[in-house]
Amino acid sequence: AQSVTQPDIHITVSEGASLELRCNYSYGATPYLFWYVQSPGQGLQLLLKYFSGDTLVQGIKGFEAEFKRSQSSFNLRKPSVHWSDAAEYFCAVGAGGNEKLTFGTGTRLTIIP
Amino acid sequence: DGGITQSPKYLFRKEGQNVTLSCEQNLNHDAMYWYRQDPGQGLRLIYYSQIVNDFQKGDIAEGYSVSREKKESFPLTVTSAQKNPTAFYLCASRRQGGTDTQYFGPGTRLTVL
Repeated sequence: AQSVTQPDIHITVSEGASLELRCNYSYGATPYLFWYVQSPGQGLQLLLKYFSGDTLVQGIKGFEAEFKRSQSSFNLRKPSVHWSDAAEYFCAVGAGGNEKLTFGTGTRLTIIP
Repeated sequence: DGGITQSPKYLFRKEGQNVTLSCEQNLNHDAMYWYRQDPGQGLRLIYYSQIVNDFQKGDIAEGYSVSREKKESFPLTVTSAQKNPTAFYLCASRRQGGTDTQYFGPGTRLTVL
C-alpha cells in the first residue's frame, strides 16, 4: 500500500526567504506525485505534479519540486516566499492508474514580515 | 465557467439525522471522489466512482453512502451510523486517463450538534 509522510506539521518563514517542504513516499513502482495547496476553508489547488521524465518539475506561483527516487522524496521549493503563500500544503501519491490518491497530513506554512 | 460545485458551504444537523452533501461538475469528468478532512489528518477517501452507476468504497466508507445516477453528480449521504460526522468534506473529479489530475471543489463544512 502506498503512503506519504510530511514530517513538518508547521513551518514559519520570513517573507522573502527560501522555502523547502519535505515529502517522503512509499510505493513499489514509479509513483505519480502531486503537491496541492489549501487556503483556510477552501478546496485544494494543484501546484504541480510528476509522472515521468525530468525530475525537476515547475509549477504555478513560482513553486518547483524535485523527484529523488533514491531518497523516495518529492520536496517542494520556492526561492522567495510571499505573504500570500501562507496556507496548508499537501503532498499526495497515486498509483499507476491514478484512480486513488493517498495524501500526507499536510504542512501549515506561516509567513512572518 | 467550468468547475466543481459543492453545496452548501456550511451545514448544521442534529445528531441522528441523515444529511446529503451535493457535488456537481461540468467538466465532463468520468471519475468523482469524496474525501473527509480532519485537522492534522490530511484527506481520507470515503467513496469514489469511475463511471455512472458504479462506485467503490474508499478507506473510511462506514456510515456513508453515495449514488452516481448522472455523470455530473455524485451526492454523499452522511448517515446516523457515522459516529463522528463533524468534518470538512471535499469532492473531486478527474477525467479518466493515467496521467490526469484530480480537481477539487470548495468543500462543505458539516457540523453535527
